[in-house]
Amino acid sequence: DTAVSQTPKYLVTQMGNDKSIKCEQNLGHDTMYWYKQDSKKFLKIMFSYNNKELIINETVPNRFSPKSPDKAHLNLHINSLELGDSAVYFCASSWGTSGFPYEQYFGPGTRLTVT
Amino acid sequence: KNQVEQSPQSLIILEGKNCTLQCNYTVSPFSNLRWYKQDTGRGPVSLTIMTFSENTKSNGRYTATLDADTKQSSLHITASQLSDSASYICVVSDEGSQGNLIFGKGTKLSVKP
Repeated sequence: DTAVSQTPKYLVTQMGNDKSIKCEQNLGHDTMYWYKQDSKKFLKIMFSYNNKELIINETVPNRFSPKSPDKAHLNLHINSLELGDSAVYFCASSWGTSGFPYEQYFGPGTRLTVT
Repeated sequence: KNQVEQSPQSLIILEGKNCTLQCNYTVSPFSNLRWYKQDTGRGPVSLTIMTFSENTKSNGRYTATLDADTKQSSLHITASQLSDSASYICVVSDEGSQGNLIFGKGTKLSVKP
């Protein structure tokens, strides 16, 4: 029944590996986001997709590649993982883009630990 | 440079007391301002969203105010409960269909019995 779901919840991997995090929303929203929350709990937007089209792409290393197969899914693939990638990654969704006052619904987060 | 500053960084209050959290921003042009509550280990939950024309909005015991002239917002929590212990994040979006989101670093609130 969860509105925004992410898998896996925890991910522990070694440096240099490639990993993916999946996100799905069943709210019928047309916009989805990926956020990174570092160890200091500071949230930062990474990507935003509207109707499967990339509309926000912050200065994120190109090792991070989002993929939106349809409006309900936004997956995050990370190549050649580095220690600094360790963080909690949140997926979110909303009606319309963030320039409009639409509420964003966040997933439970994926805690990525790179060793 | 677009920035969102929150104060205090952390706050401890006794259960039942009121408190006010502050958010100052320099984002321009302004579209909307959001307050989120984030419990430890959980995703943020939206409390209020305000546009330029709104100067107050309530959500239960939470009341947010916005002064677009001075670029200040506050979140007032009435009759605090232990479950209010969380981080409170202020986020400002600039204009445009893309709406860049600028996040504050949050205020960590602890409510003690």
